[in-house]
Amino acid sequence: EVQLVESGGGVVRPGGSLRLSCAASGFTFDDYGMSWVRQAPGKGLEWVSGINWHGGGTGYADSVKGRFTISRDNAKNSLYLQMNSLRAEDAALYHCARADHVAFDYWGQGILVTVSS
Amino acid sequence: QSALTQPASVSGSPGQSITISCTGTSSDVGSDNLVSWYQQHPGKAPKLMIYEGSKRPSGVSNRFSGSKSGKTASLTISGLQAEDEADYYCCSYASSFTWVFGGGTKLTVL
Repeated sequence: EVQLVESGGGVVRPGGSLRLSCAASGFTFDDYGMSWVRQAPGKGLEWVSGINWHGGGTGYADSVKGRFTISRDNAKNSLYLQMNSLRAEDAALYHCARADHVAFDYWGQGILVTVSS
Repeated sequence: QSALTQPASVSGSPGQSITISCTGTSSDVGSDNLVSWYQQHPGKAPKLMIYEGSKRPSGVSNRFSGSKSGKTASLTISGLQAEDEADYYCCSYASSFTWVFGGGTKLTVL
């Protein structure tokens, strides 16, 4: 059974940093690209960042470019999102999702990030 | 990276059919079969319903179908059922490992 479990969320002050992790199981992790997708309270889905199977290709939404860094450790079946210079508008539920070619076929339940002074 | 355009809400009665549109640009929706659709019930993670424009994952009802014309993709749900009431999002691969979502459509089953 495919499982994606996010961790590392919490409350952080504006300008602060946080590192999210996503532990993958039930599939061959390095066969798939991965992405982070977020959802602010009461709002829609927003794609944040993606990475290809070996980590050599990455992409970012304009809203996070230069502040967030996606990475993966295939030996640990893990995906990461380093978030720096956090803003109030970054507060959201962050999901990791498996990319099967151009669609996201499995999603984690998400981890909450709160940005507040 | 502009969000794809979806209607904010649609509604239909049980047994009817509804269609949700998703309009983008020639770089995303209008380019190849790059569109996917997701269903999200309150408090739940999104679920993939359609990929590559018109393909259904295993386990998804054949009441759900996808199509595309030019820069507009569409999700049609036939034989509406109460459990179809949810938020629906379109998504398109854009380029260089980037994606864009639509703003979401709230489906109400009357």
